[in-house]
Amino acid sequence: AQTVTQSQPEMSVQEAETVTLSCTYDTSENNYYLFWYKQPPSRQMILVIRQEAYKQQNATENRFSVNFQKAAKSFSLKISDSQLGDTAMYFCAFIRGGSNYKLTFGKGTLLTVNP
Amino acid sequence: DVKVTQSSRYLVKRTGEKVFLECVQDMDHENMFWYRQDPGLGLRLIYFSYDVKMKEKGDIPEGYSVSREKKERFSLILESASTNQTSMYLCASSLHSMSYEQYFGPGTRLTVT
Repeated sequence: AQTVTQSQPEMSVQEAETVTLSCTYDTSENNYYLFWYKQPPSRQMILVIRQEAYKQQNATENRFSVNFQKAAKSFSLKISDSQLGDTAMYFCAFIRGGSNYKLTFGKGTLLTVNP
Repeated sequence: DVKVTQSSRYLVKRTGEKVFLECVQDMDHENMFWYRQDPGLGLRLIYFSYDVKMKEKGDIPEGYSVSREKKERFSLILESASTNQTSMYLCASSLHSMSYEQYFGPGTRLTVT
């Protein structure tokens, strides 16, 4: 069974600074996908970024980027130029490739961006 | 944009009541999911459906059932609500089996008293 671990229950950062959220996972699979989801307070969960395991290049989406270390089974999220609207719970998630529907989530990291 | 809607944002029910949570998606997605979200536990999959009338158990199906009579609608049923089912319930959908991104609804916060 796959497991996803987010070791930082809470983090804070000053506005305009950079912060990195950590995520590690455990799997014996070679074909899989990783995601970071963002859940703002009282708002809908949205997809921030995805990474295919077969791609060596780290995914980026505007101010969000990942550091994907496949051998170390690490998938951290870097948020640059943090904004107040980045305050949210962030979940790391894993899904095995192929016809598999099960998305395994970490327990989340609550990020607070301070003015 | 994909839109996933849930019938209620907040719901209060009494112990023993039968509870229906409804989820609708408007993008012709094949797969639909019900999760439960609790502090410190993340999201846990209750049930999912990969086609009309098809369903599979997730990690915590006990005390729940589901129904999918139409492609766009997926219902979660608590046959006899209990206080330990007080939680946030999230519905999600994805396009098909090879599409791994899931799109979430706003959630229903259920309180069972």
